[in-house]
Amino acid sequence: AQSVSQHNHHVILSEAASLELGCNYSYGGTVNLFWYVQYPGQHLQLLLKYFSGDPLVKGIKGFEAEFIKSKFSFNLRKPSVQWSDTAEYFCAVRDDKIIFGKGTRLHILP
Amino acid sequence: DVKVTQSSRYLVKRTGEKVFLECVQDMDHENMFWYRQDPGLGLRLIYFSYDVKMKEKGDIPEGYSVSREKKERFSLILESASTNQTSMYLCASSEGRANYGYTFGSGTRLTVV
Repeated sequence: AQSVSQHNHHVILSEAASLELGCNYSYGGTVNLFWYVQYPGQHLQLLLKYFSGDPLVKGIKGFEAEFIKSKFSFNLRKPSVQWSDTAEYFCAVRDDKIIFGKGTRLHILP
Repeated sequence: DVKVTQSSRYLVKRTGEKVFLECVQDMDHENMFWYRQDPGLGLRLIYFSYDVKMKEKGDIPEGYSVSREKKERFSLILESASTNQTSMYLCASSEGRANYGYTFGSGTRLTVV
């Protein structure tokens, strides 16, 4: 069965720090990978997705993620975070349905 | 823009009540999903549906049922609400079976007392 593991449950950074949120998945077939974000009080939104092609995927708001097949990883990165990036981030994998990780709460200190 | 609308933002129900959570999408999507979101547990799939009158169990279907009589509407039913069903419930829809992300509704925060 598929599973998704997010390494950190809670991350606290200062503004302008660099961000990397870890995500590993277990699935042997062709994967479709996603990162979703949930800002406080808002619904889940798609941040970026990988289906095929260039393993470095760029998303909205300066986020990017790199698919490394050999490591079953899809880590989310941002070179310089802002206070407005405070949110919960979910990694997800899909074949016929999406399986979500447990989420990482990111708190950015102003 | 695709819209997924959940009928209630907040709901308080008593133990043992039958509860209906409604979800409607306006983009003719085939697939619809119900998740519950709990702190530290992420999103867990309750039920999903690939077409009208079709339904499949997700990872935690116990205590729930669903109804999909029309393509645009997917209802989650708690047959006899219990306090451990207090949660945030999220509805989502998507086109096709793969290569698409979901569009989520705003969620219904259900409290069972």
